[in-house]
Amino acid sequence: NAGVTQTPKFQVLKTGQSMTLQCAQDMNHNSMYWYRQDPGMGLRLIYYSASEGTTDKGEVPNGYNVSRLNKREFSLRLESAAPSQTSVYFCASSDPTSPNYNEQFFGPGTRLTVL
Amino acid sequence: DAKTTQPPSMDCAEGRAANLPCNHSTISGNEYVYWYRQIHSQGPQYIIHGLKNNETNEMASLIITEDRKSSTLILPHATLRDTAVYYCIVRVGGSARQLTFGSGTQLTVLP
Repeated sequence: NAGVTQTPKFQVLKTGQSMTLQCAQDMNHNSMYWYRQDPGMGLRLIYYSASEGTTDKGEVPNGYNVSRLNKREFSLRLESAAPSQTSVYFCASSDPTSPNYNEQFFGPGTRLTVL
Repeated sequence: DAKTTQPPSMDCAEGRAANLPCNHSTISGNEYVYWYRQIHSQGPQYIIHGLKNNETNEMASLIITEDRKSSTLILPHATLRDTAVYYCIVRVGGSARQLTFGSGTQLTVLP
């Protein structure tokens, strides 16, 4: 199993450009999450999807949109990138119905720089 | 979710036990204590969780005080690869919600 995969690993954008960060998991998990991590800080939730077909805002959703394409894939879109969105983005998944409540599995991250 | 307090940094000698404390004095009866760690530049990794009883797995042990207001994560024989930021998180279980990561404790294992 690959677990949680993210593409791309690195990206540099100019202010105003758009891009989509891709995330996929092969663990048949119901729930998926997008976090961002700024230097020296903990992770903050952007959006999450409790199950296929549903999405909800997290702590810092402004400037982002998400799509839960199917059970495996959850993408994050920046429509008009801003320097404040320079960060490391992590995708995670979990199965809230499993006995191990709320163990989230994280991907390797996408390092985004907006100039 | 209850707020947690952790020391910002700790050192530990390689091969010795690392004891990482966490205060969560406002924890509710249905909230679990979770520990994650993040090795530099990688995604966080789940370590262990517990409700009331002490727990042990292949990675660590979790000791929760009887009043549940604090806990300690124990890495029994720390190695250099255990150098990471360790996060103590308190939250209810069983639903898809965010994990609230605070600042954590930077554990440095020294050779």
